[in-house]
Amino acid sequence: QSALTQPPSASGSPGQSVTISCTGTSGDVGGYDYVSWYQHHPDKAPKLLVYGVRRRPSGVPDRFSGSKSGNTASLTVSGLQAEDEADYYCSAYGGINNPLIFGGGTKLTVL
Amino acid sequence: QLQLQESGPGLVKPSETLSLTCTVSGGSIRNRGDYWNWIRQPPGKGLEWIGSIYYSGTTYYNPSLKSRVTIFADRSKNQFSLNLGSVTAADTAVYYCARSGDDSDIDYWGQGTLVTVSS
Repeated sequence: QSALTQPPSASGSPGQSVTISCTGTSGDVGGYDYVSWYQHHPDKAPKLLVYGVRRRPSGVPDRFSGSKSGNTASLTVSGLQAEDEADYYCSAYGGINNPLIFGGGTKLTVL
Repeated sequence: QLQLQESGPGLVKPSETLSLTCTVSGGSIRNRGDYWNWIRQPPGKGLEWIGSIYYSGTTYYNPSLKSRVTIFADRSKNQFSLNLGSVTAADTAVYYCARSGDDSDIDYWGQGTLVTVSS
């Protein structure tokens, strides 16, 4: 089972926008609209930000938005804030024999 | 509000079996459509899905761990558990239990528990 590919790091200044990519295959990211994104602060449980490619759970600010094109999904964080500094993970459904695959994670730094 | 709490030994010897239990409160593991997952994060590394048990009892495992993993549920106690056999130092990680739905979205997580494999 290969992890989805994410850039190891990303950065931006407060107020700016940053986009994190998540690349898979036609068997996972490209094949289903079951891509999720999580925010993970150290020593805390991950938090669901986006599911179903672009849907947000209640309580998640609309600064966080998801999209997908082909085998690559993306998370855009707009209006960067200091508290957005965290690790971000994507996940995707990979079929009945590979139900859940995570990306390797992206460390977002707010400069 | 759904809450999940992991419990189990924090230290396991190499070659032995790692056993963890997740106690669910504020909801039932028999709730239709829910998947109950185990996920881990080795120190300095990313998240890895270990496997899950569906509300019906069907299990799904990460192909790379399948030969060593068993996930089972105790509905009377509203708990589900993980057994990971023949552990090595590479199995040292923070282990999370979590719930997901049909969209493969993990919306509730336990706080995580560190398990160290060492003699």
